[in-house]
Amino acid sequence: AQKVTQAQTEISVVEKEDVTLDCVYETRDTTYYLFWYKQPPSGELVFLIRRNSFDEQNEISGRYSWNFQKSTSSFNFTITASQVVDSAVYFCALSEAYSSASKIIFGSGTRLSIRP
Amino acid sequence: IAGITQAPTSQILAAGRRMTLRCTQDMRHNAMYWYRQDLGLGLRLIHYSNTAGTTGKGEVPDGYSVSRANTDDFPLTLASAVPSQTSVYFCASSESWGLAPNEQFFGPGTRLTVL
Repeated sequence: AQKVTQAQTEISVVEKEDVTLDCVYETRDTTYYLFWYKQPPSGELVFLIRRNSFDEQNEISGRYSWNFQKSTSSFNFTITASQVVDSAVYFCALSEAYSSASKIIFGSGTRLSIRP
Repeated sequence: IAGITQAPTSQILAAGRRMTLRCTQDMRHNAMYWYRQDLGLGLRLIHYSNTAGTTGKGEVPDGYSVSRANTDDFPLTLASAVPSQTSVYFCASSESWGLAPNEQFFGPGTRLTVL
């Protein structure tokens, strides 16, 4: 069975600090996809990244970076030099490949608060 | 270009009443989804549709029904609302599911309270 665990329910840091959001997943499939979504206070979810299970290269996009490690089944998200606008709830999600839309599973989310 | 629109924005509903949440997308995406978001539980899939004319059950389908008569619209119906259906409902869409799941685009959500 698939499962996504975001153990950090809430994180609060001071602006300009670096912060890492953890995501641990479980799946029996060898081919799968991982996602991160951001939900700002406005409520609408925004796609951040998709990574397939065959690509373990870390990804960097501006102040955002993602560390995918199959050995520990983790797909962690780091924000460098955090800003107040980064305050949001962040969701990690897992989906099998070659499957129907019923197979996507979201974690319970991490609420990130950036204090000025 | 609106992307995905949902209506109503919010609704207070008496238990036992029938309610349809509307969702329309203008991106010509084949796949559409309905999720509910509850505190501490994240997003849970209610129903989905891979293409017009087909629908499927997600993780929490009981008490809900959907239809997909065309590509753009994917209404969610609560036949007889119960208080446990109080939640924020999100509609989403993506390009064809196919071999690799694509990013989903989400609507602004509908906040539903069942009393």
